[in-house]
Amino acid sequence: DARVTQTPRDKVTEMGQEVTMRCQPILGHNTVFWYRQTMMQGLELLAYFRNRAPLDDSGMPKDRFSAEMPDATLATLKIQPSEPRDSAVYFCASGQGQGPYNEQFFGPGTRLTVL
Amino acid sequence: AQKITQTQPGMFVQEKEAVTLDCTYDTSDPSYGLFWYKQPSSGEMIFLIYQGSYDQQNATEGRYSLNFQKARKSANLVISASQLGDSAMYFCAMREGRGFQKLVFGTGTRLLVSP
Repeated sequence: DARVTQTPRDKVTEMGQEVTMRCQPILGHNTVFWYRQTMMQGLELLAYFRNRAPLDDSGMPKDRFSAEMPDATLATLKIQPSEPRDSAVYFCASGQGQGPYNEQFFGPGTRLTVL
Repeated sequence: AQKITQTQPGMFVQEKEAVTLDCTYDTSDPSYGLFWYKQPSSGEMIFLIYQGSYDQQNATEGRYSLNFQKARKSANLVISASQLGDSAMYFCAMREGRGFQKLVFGTGTRLLVSP
């Protein structure tokens, strides 16, 4: 049963600290997405990779957020320095193919709390 | 303008009854896909059902069916024979054919199934 995995599942940190979230997409999927979910904003797309190349990160605060795919089995989302307003659930999703007809499979999410 | 509109913040249904969750969308692209995801209290996003803009028939997956009315730009989710485990948030989402495969989500509907 192929699944997207994310670590850590929960992270509590203090303001100013660096936070790194990791995602392992489903083997063979060529697209990876990072979403953030908050009560106020709902689900927002932060960044998107296809074949490990970043295609769009316009949803990401550039000064403190960075997203990378060092290899096909690992995607990372880093926040440095973290702020209380970054508290949210961060989802990674992966998919395959092009066009509108391909579903995205979501990981379990990382619940981030910045104190 | 909102791309995906879910007008029901909350819905109640009794066990074994059917329930319809509303979703309307806005796009000028003839090629698009519509998705429904379930998010239980545990937080994960679970894919339920997909409808393509060119599909002639309404999609069905077990107890889930999608009432697709293209002219009205609506894609309502119908859950038949509700179960207590159906209590969750339900999100409608759309991916348009142009550009990259960004999923745009609605604000969600919270469904509560009572015994």
